[in-house]
Amino acid sequence: AQKVTQAQTEISVVEKEDVTLDCVYETRDTTYYLFWYKQPPSGELVFLIRRNSFDEQNEISGRYSWNFQKSTSSFNFTITASQVVDSAVYFCALSEERDTGRRALTFGSGTRLQVQP
Amino acid sequence: GAGVSQSPSNKVTEKGKDVELRCDPISGHTALYWYRQSLGQGLEFLIYFQGNSAPDKSGLPSDRFSAERTGGSVSTLTIQRTQQEDSAVYLCASSLTTYEQYFGPGTRLTVT
Repeated sequence: AQKVTQAQTEISVVEKEDVTLDCVYETRDTTYYLFWYKQPPSGELVFLIRRNSFDEQNEISGRYSWNFQKSTSSFNFTITASQVVDSAVYFCALSEERDTGRRALTFGSGTRLQVQP
Repeated sequence: GAGVSQSPSNKVTEKGKDVELRCDPISGHTALYWYRQSLGQGLEFLIYFQGNSAPDKSGLPSDRFSAERTGGSVSTLTIQRTQQEDSAVYLCASSLTTYEQYFGPGTRLTVT
């Protein structure tokens, strides 16, 4: 069975600090997809990034970067120079192929990030 | 363009009553998912629709839960004889390629 672990329940940083959110996953499939979602206080889940299991290139998007390492089954997320608006709960998620084509997401428990001004 | 919409945004119901939650996916998205977010269980998959295929109901927690999707668009999640443990935020997501899923704002259900 697939599983996603986000060991950090809550992180508090001061604005402009860099912060890394950890994500470790388990799956028996060779083809799978990893995601990060942001859930701000408003509650709506916002898609941030998707990575395929066969593409281990790291990705940078502005202040956000993602480090995907299959050897350690990790998909970590770093926010550089954090801002108050980054305060949210961040979820890491995994999806696998199913015969039905279903790619339902298995979510981690989330990491609450608080950025203090 | 318009995102995923859900209604109602909040629903308070008495234990034992039936409730219907509605999801309007992004136009053209063929895949639709329902999830539930609760304090104790986190975010969990409930049901999946893809086009005109039979839905994947493997995540439904009991036979009190059912869902349908009419015309490949709007979906309704029905919970019969609600129980207090059904209290949660019910999230709908839609997807074009079944890769990235785009979520609606959710329906917060409170069973008293």
